Amino acid sequence: KQEVTQIPAALSVPEGENLVLNCSFTDSAIYNLQWFRQDPGKGLTSLLLIQSSQREQTSGRLNASLDKSSGRSTLYIAASQPGDSATYLCAVKIQGAQKLVFGQGTRLTINP
Amino acid sequence: ETGVTQSPTHLIKTRGQQVTLRCSSQSGHNTVSWYQQALGQGPQFIFQYYREEENGRGNFPPRFSGLQFPNYSSELNVNALELDDSALYLCASSLAQTGTVRVMGTEAFFGQGTRLTVV
Repeated sequence: KQEVTQIPAALSVPEGENLVLNCSFTDSAIYNLQWFRQDPGKGLTSLLLIQSSQREQTSGRLNASLDKSSGRSTLYIAASQPGDSATYLCAVKIQGAQKLVFGQGTRLTINP
Repeated sequence: ETGVTQSPTHLIKTRGQQVTLRCSSQSGHNTVSWYQQALGQGPQFIFQYYREEENGRGNFPPRFSGLQFPNYSSELNVNALELDDSALYLCASSLAQTGTVRVMGTEAFFGQGTRLTVV
């Protein structure tokens, strides 16, 4: 059974810092991994999608990496801003199934 | 904006009642998945619909059912509501790769969710 874990559960940093969010998964048989952002009480906004054959993806100040063999992904946020405050979720699309399996998220607070 | 719209945004129901939630998928997408997200948790997969047929189901009882229509919009129906059904219900649309028996799917785009409260 695929399990996805995100560490830390919560993170608070001052504005301007670079930071890394971690995601680990137990089964390396995945199609892809997707990072999402969720504002309180809202839906999910897709940030980055990494296919299983890829090592990383970049979008603006965000960079996500994938190491399938070790079951790890990181989301790097450069020059953090208060507007980056949200919960960040990672999810894997597992082979042989139709679903995304999510971690519990990291609640990020950027202090001005 | 993802182009995935859900209605209603908020709903309050009484235990034992039935509820229908609706989702319009992003233009060009043929696959819709539904997720339940309890407070402080990650979303949990309920089921997926592809070309109007259920194409995978999570660990949810039969009182959770769904439909997908020819225009790829979808409904989630929950019968005999229980207090624990209170959650944010999320719909995700994606474009399945053609020619595959089991739908692989690509990037999933989520709607804003329906907040269901059961009292």
